[in-house]
Amino acid sequence: NAGVMQNPRHLVRRRGQEARLRCSPMKGHSHVYWYRQLPEEGLKFMVYLQKENIIDESGMPKERFSAEFPKEGPSILRIQQVVRGDSAAYFCASSPISGGASYNEQFFGPGTRLTVL
Amino acid sequence: AQKITQTQPGMFVQEKEAVTLDCTYDTSDQSYGLFWYKQPSSGEMIFLIYQGSYDEQNATEGRYSLNFQKARKSANLVISASQLGDSAMYFCAMRDAGTASKLTFGTGTRLQVTL
Repeated sequence: NAGVMQNPRHLVRRRGQEARLRCSPMKGHSHVYWYRQLPEEGLKFMVYLQKENIIDESGMPKERFSAEFPKEGPSILRIQQVVRGDSAAYFCASSPISGGASYNEQFFGPGTRLTVL
Repeated sequence: AQKITQTQPGMFVQEKEAVTLDCTYDTSDQSYGLFWYKQPSSGEMIFLIYQGSYDEQNATEGRYSLNFQKARKSANLVISASQLGDSAMYFCAMRDAGTASKLTFGTGTRLQVTL
């Protein structure tokens, strides 16, 4: 059973370009979370999606960032007109159900390291 | 709002010794879960251990145990018999019932195991 897959693992973009990050959850998982980790910091929640629905986007910057999780295919985190401050590691996690406070491990992917030149 | 505090930016421990990594949290919810993750230099996030707020026993997973003191709102990670491969960043995280499953992370502690 393959784990959470993210691609690309490393992405380099120039300022003003678009970045598209992909996440394929574990088989049977219908809940996807995106987190951002700035250098030397902890992970910060960005968005929580289920198939075709955004459940919680309270951590997403208001502009330039969007996320989707279509009925078919991977979840996509899209960053338009990237700036140097977007350079970070972006992690995707998946879980089989919504956990609330109960034990429900989120399985993390290996992350995408975005570098904006 | 939830908050996780890890006050030790870096820790050193000798091989085979035990080490405690501190974590305190703040939440107004009665129902919540606490997690510890390990992030080695390769960058992936590895789940270590979980403690539920209603669990009466401290969680243990192999060499990892969680010292849960609910009244103090602390959830310290204890690693026994440290190994060189334990050198990594360690993150404490929390999820409560009102936050749609998202995890709130602390800033992490960098652990270095020495010979």
